Amino acid sequence: KAGVTQTPRYLIKTRGQQVTLSCSPISGHRSVSWYQQTPGQGLQFLFEYFSETQRNKGNFPGRFSGRQFSNSRSEMNVSTLELGDSALYLCASSSYLSGGPGNTIYFGEGSWLTVV
Amino acid sequence: AQSVTQLGSHVSVSEGALVLLRCNYSSSVPPYLFWYVQYPNQGLQLLLKYTSAATLVKGINGFEAEFKKSETSFHLTKPSAHMSDAAEYFCAVSGSAGNQFYFGTGTSLTVIP
Repeated sequence: KAGVTQTPRYLIKTRGQQVTLSCSPISGHRSVSWYQQTPGQGLQFLFEYFSETQRNKGNFPGRFSGRQFSNSRSEMNVSTLELGDSALYLCASSSYLSGGPGNTIYFGEGSWLTVV
Repeated sequence: AQSVTQLGSHVSVSEGALVLLRCNYSSSVPPYLFWYVQYPNQGLQLLLKYTSAATLVKGINGFEAEFKKSETSFHLTKPSAHMSDAAEYFCAVSGSAGNQFYFGTGTSLTVIP
């Protein structure tokens, strides 16, 4: 069974530009969540999507957005990039069997974003 | 609200020695606790998960963790460290709804030959 796939793995953008990152979840998983990882702030939750609907959102500015498609694939977008947006962006998927807490989330290898 | 605290951002052990990585949690409800490992330039891999079925949880690669409610702890251990265990380890707690996780700041494990 293929794992969570994220593309691109590495990218460099200029301040002010926007970026779109893609995530394909494990087959059959309908929940996709996104995390930002930086040396200073650690792992921070961005948002979660289930059945094309955003269920939870972390404490990030509106420049960070996402969406989920009917095949459960997800994209996140960051507009007007700032230097501080340089990070590893991790996508995780879950089968969301119970509908509540305790589901395991499985991570992709991440997309390394460098903003110059 | 849920949160976890990892004590010690860096831990060094000799090859063959006991590995002990500390994690304390704070939760207003019975917690679902996880340990993940991250190797350089990779995503996070699940080591083990506590779901209240048993207080001692066995994971992959010889790791295990014990849930102690009285101490609000979920420390990760391995009897004998191997060079391949060198990585960053994260403790996490699942939020009260959905799949929002709260992660600790991580512990970098170095194994000395």
